[in-house]
Amino acid sequence: SQQGEEDPQALSIQEGENATMNCSYKTSINNLQWYRQNSGRGLVHLILIRSNEREKHSGRLRVTLDTSKKSSSLLITASRAADTASYFCATDGYPWGGKLIFGQGTELSVKP
Amino acid sequence: DAMVIQNPRYQVTQFGKPVTLSCSQTLNHNVMYWYQQKSSQAPKLLFHYYDKDFNNEADTPDNFQSRRPNTSFCFLDIRSPGLGDAAMYLCATSSVVTGSLWDNSPLHFGNGTRLTVT
Repeated sequence: SQQGEEDPQALSIQEGENATMNCSYKTSINNLQWYRQNSGRGLVHLILIRSNEREKHSGRLRVTLDTSKKSSSLLITASRAADTASYFCATDGYPWGGKLIFGQGTELSVKP
Repeated sequence: DAMVIQNPRYQVTQFGKPVTLSCSQTLNHNVMYWYQQKSSQAPKLLFHYYDKDFNNEADTPDNFQSRRPNTSFCFLDIRSPGLGDAAMYLCATSSVVTGSLWDNSPLHFGNGTRLTVT
């Protein structure tokens, strides 16, 4: 069953602009993770935010989590052409956090 | 470097002909997962092994089976592939602390095997 829904499904921006992707989920979570997938490749873990955290940063990435609204956002600042990829949020199976269910993803295209 | 390796990268099989996809890991992680990903869709969890314990998702077809002979290797067997089984199959691993409600281990993915059914 699908836990996360992402918005928008596709996003096209110019290099240097910021990109914001949103994720909504349905049930309680221990943590929420964001992954990136380049075309034809496996997924790469970007960042994890726990249910008791509200914001987290990693380089040009900023993730927020609002458990009252069951939503999260991923912000990529100063985007580069190399950021072109699909981005997925994933939530765990509360209470055991070892199983991840992925959202549909946002396809990001950054034009040089 | 520690990693998750999937072989082959591309696999072509005939309708109804059994096929096996393989995954190996050097991370010594106790959990291994198989995901199915169709074009422009989310990865869908098929099953996972927590050590030797096999956990099937409720909606995974019986046509899909898995084996984990040891910590390092995991196999996905598709007994009678149909055209609808054409997809990317992703193997992933994680390290889960038994009894932890706060497991926060990210998944490490292989690059997948793209299966074509003719």
